[in-house]
Amino acid sequence: LAKTTQPISMDSYEGQEVNITCSHNNIATNDYITWYQQFPSQGPRFIIQGYKTKVTNEVASLFIPADRKSSTLSLPRVSLSDTAVYYCLYFSGAGSYQLTFGKGTKLSVIP
Amino acid sequence: ETGVTQTPRHLVMGMTNKKSLKCEQHLGHNAMYWYKQSAKKPLELMFVYNFKEQTENNSVPSRFSPECPNSSHLFLHLHTLQPEDSALYLCASSPSTGGPGANVLTFGAGSRLTVL
Repeated sequence: LAKTTQPISMDSYEGQEVNITCSHNNIATNDYITWYQQFPSQGPRFIIQGYKTKVTNEVASLFIPADRKSSTLSLPRVSLSDTAVYYCLYFSGAGSYQLTFGKGTKLSVIP
Repeated sequence: ETGVTQTPRHLVMGMTNKKSLKCEQHLGHNAMYWYKQSAKKPLELMFVYNFKEQTENNSVPSRFSPECPNSSHLFLHLHTLQPEDSALYLCASSPSTGGPGANVLTFGAGSRLTVL
């Protein structure tokens, strides 16, 4: 299974930039790194995906170093509505489909 | 209607009941999934369908029976469940089960199941 490690929880004040780092030491050459956001009692929502270097969209930025063994999700100027659980994961094909969600990082944004 | 729609949103059933969860996607995707999310546990992948064919059964007990009549609809038939099966059941779809699109799932809002 594709195993990732990320902090269990983080707190941030409104307006600050939040960086959540995830380690994925066993990532394979063809795997893409993906981040999801989940609010209570809702399904996860895709945020951003990347393969290497930096990817930016209207929601977040994703930084991936050259060795790809970690990635950092950056949320600029968070608001209270960004309070959610954030999951880092990657597709581990290897002949059998498994998109494995870990425990995620619970981000609490404080006024 | 767009996205992934799940019904019912809430379901309470006894251990001897038979019920079904329904999922419908209007995204033109070819792959559909069932995930289970119990309290304070990670999401668990249950079943994967690609072009209506089941490609993954993640050691799910036979009291959960999936059905995928076409690429837009997915059902989860439930019978003789246990109280520990109470959870949020999430349906998702993606363009495919291979390549970059396999990572990009669109989830429904889930069906909250309570087994008494």
